Amino acid sequence: AQRVTQPEKLLSVFKGAPVELKCNYSYSGSPELFWYVQYSRQRLQLLLRHISRESIKGFTADLNKGETSFHLKKPFAQEEDSAMYYCALRSGSARQLTFGSGTQLTVLP
Amino acid sequence: GAGVSQSPSNKVTEKGKDVELRCDPISGHTALYWYRQSLGQGLEFLIYFQGNSAPDKSGLPSDRFSAERTGGSVSTLTIQRTQQEDSAVYLCASSEEGTSWLTDTQYFGPGTRLTVL
Repeated sequence: AQRVTQPEKLLSVFKGAPVELKCNYSYSGSPELFWYVQYSRQRLQLLLRHISRESIKGFTADLNKGETSFHLKKPFAQEEDSAMYYCALRSGSARQLTFGSGTQLTVLP
Repeated sequence: GAGVSQSPSNKVTEKGKDVELRCDPISGHTALYWYRQSLGQGLEFLIYFQGNSAPDKSGLPSDRFSAERTGGSVSTLTIQRTQQEDSAVYLCASSEEGTSWLTDTQYFGPGTRLTVL
């Protein structure tokens, strides 16, 4: 069975500082990895996915199969980045997502 | 266009009562998912509908939970004989479910917050 682990429930950084939200997964095959974000009083939305190799809102994430990680990074955090971030995995032919427990990011002024 | 909508936004019920939660997916989306977000937990998958195929019910926590999708559009999640541990935010998502990763993004609704007293 697949599992997604986000070790940090809460993460605080100062504006302009680098930020890294950790995500590790366990799955024996080749997974699809995603980061979803939920801003205050808004619905959950896709931030980025590993297959697209995009940078969204300055965030990037690299799939490291050796370390089974998909950490989310941004070199200079902004206050508007404050939100709940969820790492998610989709495996094999299954279409549903397996989510981590989320990391609440707070960017301090 | 309109996104995924869910109703009611909040539901308070007494232990033992039945509840129905509704989801209206984005028009044209063939796939529909239900997830549950409990306090202190991540989001957990409940059930998945795709077109006319039999639903994937592998995430339903007990036989008190059921869901249907009528006409390939609106879905209703029913919880019978509610228990306090059913208290959670129930999220619905839909996607086009095409053959390309460009088209299968899951779009989430605002959720229904269920409180069982």
